Amino acid sequence: LAKTTQPISMDSYEGQEVNITCSHNNIATNDYITWYQQFPSQGPRFIIQGYKTKVTNEVASLFIPADRKSSTLSLPRVSLSDTAVYYCLVGDVEGNTPLVFGKGTRLSVIA
Amino acid sequence: DSGVTQTPKHLITATGQRVTLRCSPRSGDLSVYWYQQSLDQGLQFLIQYYNGEERAKGNILERFSAQQFPDLHSELNLSSLELGDSALYFCASSGREGWYQETQYFGPGTRLLVL
Repeated sequence: LAKTTQPISMDSYEGQEVNITCSHNNIATNDYITWYQQFPSQGPRFIIQGYKTKVTNEVASLFIPADRKSSTLSLPRVSLSDTAVYYCLVGDVEGNTPLVFGKGTRLSVIA
Repeated sequence: DSGVTQTPKHLITATGQRVTLRCSPRSGDLSVYWYQQSLDQGLQFLIQYYNGEERAKGNILERFSAQQFPDLHSELNLSSLELGDSALYFCASSGREGWYQETQYFGPGTRLLVL
């Protein structure tokens, strides 16, 4: 099971771009990288998923280098409502790996 | 709104007691997953059911049990409660049997406080 490492917390001002990096050195060939967002007292919510290179959706971008040993979640122009915990997960495309949520990165957006 | 409902929203009980948490998955979803989130342990997988059958077990204590009923709702039973069982309990559902990360939808959680 690929272990992930992310910063415990980050602070940002409103309007800035925030990049949260996750390390997953022993990622397997079959593994995808997924990011979840969790607001206080709510369940986690899927944000974005990728295998390699770059993925973008209406919420965020995910950058994955060629060696796939890390990934970076990019949130453009954050607002106060982006204050949440962000989790990086790694799991296989066949669906055989239970989701393992680490402690996540607590992002605080300041006005 | 994820479409997953959990009741009750809050639960306060005493040590040694037994409680039941209920989860209704999204319409059509056959998989239900239970997670426990405490301050010091993060979000931990407890158990998964698929179409009424237990499919995977995580860090679930022997004092805890779960089941999924024919109408696909699920209940998590916690007995002989201890102070350390105080946590948020989340249910998630998915239309797929496996652990496809992009398809788990989480409910709002039940906050359990054991006094």
